[in-house]
Amino acid sequence: EDKVVQSPLSLVVHEGDTVTLNCSYEVTNFRSLLWYKQEKKAPTFLFMLTSSGIEKKSGRLSSILDKKELFSILNITATQTGDSAVYLCAARRNTPLVFGKGTRLSVIA
Amino acid sequence: ETGVTQTPRHLVMGMTNKKSLKCEQHLGHNAMYWYKQSAKKPLELMFVYNFKEQTENNSVPSRFSPECPNSSHLFLHLHTLQPEDSALYLCASSQGAMAARISLTGELFFGEGSRLTVL
Repeated sequence: EDKVVQSPLSLVVHEGDTVTLNCSYEVTNFRSLLWYKQEKKAPTFLFMLTSSGIEKKSGRLSSILDKKELFSILNITATQTGDSAVYLCAARRNTPLVFGKGTRLSVIA
Repeated sequence: ETGVTQTPRHLVMGMTNKKSLKCEQHLGHNAMYWYKQSAKKPLELMFVYNFKEQTENNSVPSRFSPECPNSSHLFLHLHTLQPEDSALYLCASSQGAMAARISLTGELFFGEGSRLTVL
């Protein structure tokens, strides 16, 4: 059975800290891995990773995929209270996406 | 504004009621999805429609009935639900679910969701 496992499930940090969120996957016909941020309702797209070892960056967020070890990490540097959200990892087969449970990040001032 | 609009945003219904959730996308996509998000569970795919054809039904009970009249609109008809069906129902769209079994893009665009409570 295809599955995506995220860790930790929740995390509380102080503003300015750096955090690393983990995502491991076991998916047949794997094509890509996606990260979403869900603040209130609608998950919003962050990254899609297809190739191993190539880091994708967007401001303070970055992510990388390891297709050999079947995992991805999402890094957030200099965290801000606005980064508080649930971060979802999803693995794409042909379609559709298999989601993990998410990591709830709380950033406190 | 994500380009995917869901109504109603909140719905409370009894177990004998019949109601519908509506989703509309303004992105020109060809594929639309219903996901269920329950507390402490991963997002669960319910249905996929590609070019108005249902291509996936993830063992969803028949009390949930989807309808896709065109590529821009998707409904989820609800009938005789159970309290455990209370959840956030998210609609999403993408460029193309399947083109010769190869997806054209990885990105799903989600709506804000409909929070359903079944009493």
